[in-house]
Amino acid sequence: EVQLVESGGGLVQPGGSLRLSCAASGFTFSNYWMSWVRQAPGKGLEWVANIKKDGSEKYYVDSVKGRFTISRDNAQNSLYLQMNSLRADDTAVYYCARGEGGYCSGGSCYLGYWYFDLWGRGTLVTVSS
Amino acid sequence: QSVLTQPPSVSAAPGQKVTISCSGSSSNIGNNYVSWYQQLPGTAPKLLIYDNNKRPSGIPDRFSGSKSGTSATLGITGLQTGDEADYYCGTWDSSLSHVVFGGGTKLTVL
Repeated sequence: EVQLVESGGGLVQPGGSLRLSCAASGFTFSNYWMSWVRQAPGKGLEWVANIKKDGSEKYYVDSVKGRFTISRDNAQNSLYLQMNSLRADDTAVYYCARGEGGYCSGGSCYLGYWYFDLWGRGTLVTVSS
Repeated sequence: QSVLTQPPSVSAAPGQKVTISCSGSSSNIGNNYVSWYQQLPGTAPKLLIYDNNKRPSGIPDRFSGSKSGTSATLGITGLQTGDEADYYCGTWDSSLSHVVFGGGTKLTVL
């Protein structure tokens, strides 16, 4: 079965750290860009980060730059999100999502066709004292 | 404040048609492709439309997408109570180098 399963969420104090994991199965993980998307309670979707198939390109939303790091292990079919210096406004359900529409050539990437074609069920991160 | 603008809510009767708009700018919708997602209550989002107007396998043709200039539209015909959900548009913003979403539209089937 083609699926993404997130884990690692939980309650953490402001300023703390957490590492999210996403286990992929049923497809060739190394052939796809991957992403994290979050949704605060009662709010809309917010893209967090993208990572290229081989991990060589990464993109982040401004609010997490310098605090969050996206990474992947293609041998383990796994995606990660290391979250440091967590704040209350990072509280959200974090979804792992498979991305399509990213094309790279000559050292630059074009993501104008971007869409998410597979989503996990999400893992809840709560930042509170 | 979302980069893409959607109406907060729309409603229509079963069997009727509804459209949901998504407005952006030249740095996002105007020069890139739009996707649409359905999020049923308590579940993860699901891809409905990609490349402005293409449907993934398994998505009924009651769902359609279009784009004109810096705006996109999702259309749903033959509304069913099971279509009640939040709908989001999304695209790449070339100036921000970000994926951007609309704020979401809650569809109520009366």
